[in-house]
Amino acid sequence: KQEVTQIPAALSVPEGENLVLNCSFTDSAIYNLQWFRQDPGKGLTSLLLIQSSQREQTSGRLNASLDKSSGRSTLYIAASQPGDSATYLCCTTQGAQKLVFGQGTRLTINP
Amino acid sequence: DGGITQSPKYLFRKEGQNVTLSCEQNLNHDAMYWYRQDPGQGLRLIYYSQIVNDFQKGDIAEGYSVSREKKESFPLTVTSAQKNPTAFYLCASSPSPLYGYTFGSGTRLTVV
Repeated sequence: KQEVTQIPAALSVPEGENLVLNCSFTDSAIYNLQWFRQDPGKGLTSLLLIQSSQREQTSGRLNASLDKSSGRSTLYIAASQPGDSATYLCCTTQGAQKLVFGQGTRLTINP
Repeated sequence: DGGITQSPKYLFRKEGQNVTLSCEQNLNHDAMYWYRQDPGQGLRLIYYSQIVNDFQKGDIAEGYSVSREKKESFPLTVTSAQKNPTAFYLCASSPSPLYGYTFGSGTRLTVV
């Protein structure tokens, strides 16, 4: 059974800092790993998708890496801004039909 | 614009009533999913469907029912048998596991 863990549960940093969010998973037989952002009371917005054959993906100030052998993914946010404040969720697959989510990291960027 | 539409955004239910949450997608995705989100518990899978007229129970299907009569639509009914239905419900779709998932904006259900 796939289990996904995100550390830390909450993070507060001053504006402008670079930061890393961590995600670990127990079963390396995955199709992909996806990072989402969730604002309070809203749905999930996809940030980056890394397919199992890939090592990283980049979009603007965001970079996500995937190391299947160690069961880890990181989301790197460069030059953080107050608008980056949200909960970040990582999820990956269990078999071909199910997604398993971490509990999320609640990020606060202080102006 | 392609996407997933969930309605209503807020829903209030009296105890003993069944309510149906709508989920419509125009992405031409085969697979659709329903998740429940509770504070401190993350997202949990209720039901999923890979093709029309077929669906499978997820981890917490008791007290819920679904149908998949059209590719675009995957409504979720919260029945009176669901003992603690107050939660945030999210619908998702995917063309295949390789290509990730798209989520709707959610429905917040409150029992009054």
